[in-house]
Amino acid sequence: SYELTQPLSVSVALGQTARITCEGDNIGGKNVHWYQQKPGQAPLLVIYRDRHRPSAIPERFSGSSSGRTATLTISRAQAGDEADYYCHVWDSSTAYLVFGGGTKLTVL
Amino acid sequence: QVQLAESGGGVVQPGRSLRLSCAASGFPLNSYAMHWVRQAPGKGLEWVAVISNDGSNKYYADSVKGRFTVSRDNSKKTLYLQMNSLGLDDTAVYFCARDDSDFWGGNPLDSWGQGTLVTVSS
Repeated sequence: SYELTQPLSVSVALGQTARITCEGDNIGGKNVHWYQQKPGQAPLLVIYRDRHRPSAIPERFSGSSSGRTATLTISRAQAGDEADYYCHVWDSSTAYLVFGGGTKLTVL
Repeated sequence: QVQLAESGGGVVQPGRSLRLSCAASGFPLNSYAMHWVRQAPGKGLEWVAVISNDGSNKYYADSVKGRFTVSRDNSKKTLYLQMNSLGLDDTAVYFCARDDSDFWGGNPLDSWGQGTLVTVSS
């Protein structure tokens, strides 16, 4: 079955740039989506189809994907960006949705 | 605006059944595939099931196949998840989520409900 690997945690200084990776076989050939989840809340779509931002998401959030790695980049990190972040792809061989294990972002 | 509201969670004994509902508003439910995703306490997201916009196609994660059934009533604007033979590992918050298309594929889940907690305990 298809697997996505994310770092358990990423730390970033306030105002700096955070990068969260998501690794999987040929992930560059799939559509990758990213979700933000704050404690006690539902996930929120922040990046879809590798690099597109929903209208309500700040421009500070961006995405890229190539080869084995997709990356969510958060520029000028703010305290309000502290959350768990999950990547998601569709495994066409099984028709299943697959989520990464999630990354906890801490803003120092 | 798009709203999804789950209900039906609670405490249930192992081996028993439970049916979850997800009421949709603010968009035409019959135009979208819908998913169930769960999250065990302190754990990550796990996809559970999907149903196409007209209910004609359904897929399930291996962990629930044969025990869970997803269905929908577009006239009532409601999605369902019938859960049978529940086990301790099914304890989780269950979210319904909207696919951004009528049939799933490499699409994002663009709207989520707040979730309903299912606790399987003796």
